Amino acid sequence: GAVVSQHPSRVICKSGTSVKIECRSLDFQATTMFWYRQFPKQSLMLMATSNEGSKATYEQGVEKDKFLINHASLTLSTLTVTSAHPEDSSFYICSADRTSGSEQFFGPGTRLTVL
Amino acid sequence: DAKTTQPPSMDCAEGRAANLPCNHSTISGNEYVYWYRQIHSQGPQYIIHGLKNNETNEMASLIITEDRKSSTLILPHATLRDTAVYYCIVRDMNTGFQKLVFGTGTRLLVSP
Repeated sequence: GAVVSQHPSRVICKSGTSVKIECRSLDFQATTMFWYRQFPKQSLMLMATSNEGSKATYEQGVEKDKFLINHASLTLSTLTVTSAHPEDSSFYICSADRTSGSEQFFGPGTRLTVL
Repeated sequence: DAKTTQPPSMDCAEGRAANLPCNHSTISGNEYVYWYRQIHSQGPQYIIHGLKNNETNEMASLIITEDRKSSTLILPHATLRDTAVYYCIVRDMNTGFQKLVFGTGTRLLVSP
């Protein structure tokens, strides 16, 4: 199957700092990428849909000024958690559609811990 | 909100078939049924998807009822590595972004 990578896999930061997470489709071009968040023992919750060259579409209740998404190329989307606080500690997962109407491939996830 | 209902947990003996049910009684004509699984602390892994015909690949089989209101994922010979949370998702392929909405899934425990 297609490969989606995330970097870093794990990050620990101090409260008030910003953290950038990268999502890359390694062997295919992804017009659309998705960002999810997963708290312990819970399911994945979609945060936003990222389209190359345009603004991201955020799900209800997700603050767009706090979770900045950039999709500058067909293989890279970034999620920046600005002014992170302990409640932002979570498992962040990205995914990408290889082509319209096909399976969506997920990255391995990034575990963020805010102290 | 997720449009599917799954049992919260199931057990299966190693080597036996695991049959995971999913109810999607409000599914519409242009919505596909997708199955993913998530092993602890990893990203979800695609398993299989279908519209109305039964599907089979190297990982599993998907049986969709004729009225499309429910489906069953079959792992023919479960192994310990199949222990994971399995998500059944209904995906609208005609909307702009075709997003996946995850429900609570079924936690499958395969035991020796």
